[in-house]
Order: sequence, then C-alpha cells, then structure tokens
Amino acid sequence: DAGVIQSPRHEVTEMGQEVTLRCKPISGHNSLFWYRQTMMRGLELLIYFNNNVPIDDSGMPEDRFSAKMPNASFSTLKIQPSEPRDSAVYFCASSPQLTGELFFGEGSRLTVL
Amino acid sequence: GQQLNQSPQSMFIQEGEDVSMNCTSSSIFNTWLWYKQDPGEGPVLLIALYKAGELTSNGRLTAQFGITRKDSFLNISASIPSDVGIYFCAGRDGSGNTGKLIFGQGTTLQVKP
Repeated sequence: DAGVIQSPRHEVTEMGQEVTLRCKPISGHNSLFWYRQTMMRGLELLIYFNNNVPIDDSGMPEDRFSAKMPNASFSTLKIQPSEPRDSAVYFCASSPQLTGELFFGEGSRLTVL
Repeated sequence: GQQLNQSPQSMFIQEGEDVSMNCTSSSIFNTWLWYKQDPGEGPVLLIALYKAGELTSNGRLTAQFGITRKDSFLNISASIPSDVGIYFCAGRDGSGNTGKLIFGQGTTLQVKP
C-alpha cells in the first residue's frame, strides 16, 4: 500500500519566493497533519485537518504560512514570501481518525537562501 | 503549554546491550506513541499505547504507559547496529478529544558493533 506521499523532496529557493509543498495522505485516512522539523525546535505541529476541515492552526508561525485541503486526497502548505529562517524539513502525516496513530511521509527539505 | 521531556538526549552503547529511554509530560496524556527516525526519512511508528499501565512489545522493543499518565518508557533489548537512529516519544492531551500530538526532543542512539 502507498504511504503518505510528499513533494518535492528537496527545494532550494531564494528569499522572497513563494514555496508550495504538497501532500497526498494514505487513502481512507480522515486526518492530516503538517509538522516542521529543525535542529533547534524539533518536531513542531503547524496545523491539522479532520475531514478536510482545519481544526487547529495555532502552530502556524506567521501569516506567511497557509495550508489548504481541498479534498480528501490532497493538501498544500504554502509559504509566501519565504525567509531563510523557514529552512527546515516539513513533514506531512495522516491518520485513520483524529486521535489515531500518525503515519509520516518522507518529508520535504526546504532551503531558503 | 504542554511539554515533553525526553531523556537521555543521546546514547552510545555496545551491540548486544539493552537500552532504556523515557518521556515525562507536564500534563496528563491519553496516548503515548514511540517513533524511530532514520536519516533522510520520516518518523516510523514503533509502538502505540492508549491505556494507563499498558505494557506493549514489538519484537525486541517494549514500551509502557505510566500509571500516572504523565510518563512513558521505551526499552530495546539486545541492541543491534540497525537500531541506530533517533527515537521520539509523542503524546496526546487527555483533557479533550483533540488530535494534537506533541513530540519529545528525541534520543539519538548509536550502537557500536
């Protein structure tokens, strides 16, 4: 069975550019989570959705960050404009239900120069 | 806010030795999950715990949900070189039906053949 699929795996961009990260959750999973991982702050929850509806976005660092889930099989995390401090690995995870176990994708490594 | 304290931060052991790591929280949790992360990959679920006092094994791994609901430990018996990686505990608040899963800072395990 296919796991959580993220793209791109690596992105290098310049400060000020727009970045869009994509995620396809495991089929049949109702909840989707976006995390950011850095050496300094570890794994931080940015936002999560249940049945395509955002439930908690209190972890989104600034208005420059936005996330959408237009349907059950696709989500995006957008950063506009990007800054060097946004450099991190961004993980998407999905779960069969809101309080279930999370299954992670392989991550998108973002470098903002 | 909620915090997870995971210890030790790192371990360097000889192949064949047993390993123990633990997590404590500042509040009561209703879920404890243990993950392992290899370089360049996303975290992979090892063990899930949902009841206070629960003791669960997965091969050479054993984890327990503390009776106070504020801690959990993970043991690895007879370590082997492929156990190398970063181990994370993750917990979910017990005060409501929230999906928010927070992560500890991780324990980096090195195994010397």
